[in-house]
Amino acid sequence: SQQGEEDPQALSIQEGENATMNCSYKTSINNLQWYRQNSGRGLVHLILIRSNEREKHSGRLRVTLDTSKKSSSLLITASRAADTASYFCATQGAGGGADGLTFGKGTHLIIQP
Amino acid sequence: ETGVTQTPRHLVMGMTNKKSLKCEQHLGHNAMYWYKQSAKKPLELMFVYNFKEQTENNSVPSRFSPECPNSSHLFLHLHTLQPEDSALYLCASSRRGGDYGYTFGSGTRLTVV
Repeated sequence: SQQGEEDPQALSIQEGENATMNCSYKTSINNLQWYRQNSGRGLVHLILIRSNEREKHSGRLRVTLDTSKKSSSLLITASRAADTASYFCATQGAGGGADGLTFGKGTHLIIQP
Repeated sequence: ETGVTQTPRHLVMGMTNKKSLKCEQHLGHNAMYWYKQSAKKPLELMFVYNFKEQTENNSVPSRFSPECPNSSHLFLHLHTLQPEDSALYLCASSRRGGDYGYTFGSGTRLTVV
């Protein structure tokens, strides 16, 4: 099964800086999604980008998708301490959406105050 | 609260016990999912239900038995588990038929002793 791989595994930056996380996947997708998870809690959906889209914005979030390279990036601008969490990319296969999402291992982001 | 409620939040059980995890959503979603999250591993998709019908079973051992009596409720019945089954079990729901994100519950932290 396809799987997203996030890079880096861990990232520590100062508050106010921008944070960039990358995701690579292996097979054709219908869409790619990013989620956030605070320690030991459920995942929260952040943003979805369709396979025919190249860039999407939502507040301080910017997502890009390059289907030729099978990769995506998540940019969080002007980071805040509350952004400290794990971030996961997830792909939905091109098989009509009957499959569940496939997740990567995640990037653990720490925002230093 | 996300709209997806999981109970119990924490569960400790012996290897010979039988227990059940419960998931409930009143978001009008018609697909529900069970995921397993273990330390240092990607989220593993266990089961997918669409309109109460199981559509995916990712080679999950038979000691895990799902049940979906209606589109709002999902159960995971557990029996004769192993210590390696200790993990965070997450339930999610979504709409079907388009590009939609998942709504996750807060999870059940399961410890098998």
